[in-house]
Amino acid sequence: KNQVEQSPQSLIILEGKNCTLQCNYTVSPFSNLRWYKQDTGRGPVSLTIMTFSENTKSNGRYTATLDADTKQSSLHITASQLSDSASYICVVSASGTYKYIFGTGTRLKVLA
Amino acid sequence: DAGVIQSPRHEVTEMGQEVTLRCKPISGHNSLFWYRQTMMRGLELLIYFNNNVPIDDSGMPEDRFSAKMPNASFSTLKIQPSEPRDSAVYFCASSLLAGGYNEQFFGPGTRLTVL
Repeated sequence: KNQVEQSPQSLIILEGKNCTLQCNYTVSPFSNLRWYKQDTGRGPVSLTIMTFSENTKSNGRYTATLDADTKQSSLHITASQLSDSASYICVVSASGTYKYIFGTGTRLKVLA
Repeated sequence: DAGVIQSPRHEVTEMGQEVTLRCKPISGHNSLFWYRQTMMRGLELLIYFNNNVPIDDSGMPEDRFSAKMPNASFSTLKIQPSEPRDSAVYFCASSLLAGGYNEQFFGPGTRLTVL
């Protein structure tokens, strides 16, 4: 069964600190993996997309990694800011299908 | 482009009433998705349209739910009759094509509360 699991479910950190969010998937055949950021009261917005051949991709202070062998991805946030408080959702797309498999997300709270 | 537009943003209704949610996808996008988001289950796909045609409605929970896309710029999700367990945030998303590397663009969502 195609599944995406994220950890932790929630996380609280102090402003300026770094954090790493995890995503494990069992989607096959794998096409790509996206990380979305969802601010409170808004729809998800794509941060990064990674394909099978990509190990690392950065978007400002956000760096995503992908290990296709172990089927794991991480999202690292550097020097966190209050505006990083949001839910982060890992989404995996399988080849040859229109379906996107969503994780349940990690809720991040950055405190001043 | 204004992005995906959804209305209303908030809806409070009583059990048994009909609820209609509306969506305007991004112009030129051929794929449209309706999702439901709850704390327990995250985002769940309800129905997927391609070129205005429903392709997969297996996620529609019951016959009380129905969706239409009469043209490329408008879609509705209707719940009749509504029940308290339908309370959730409903998102509409569109993409140029479906699957693969095509990014889904989400609307702001409609927060539905059924009393």
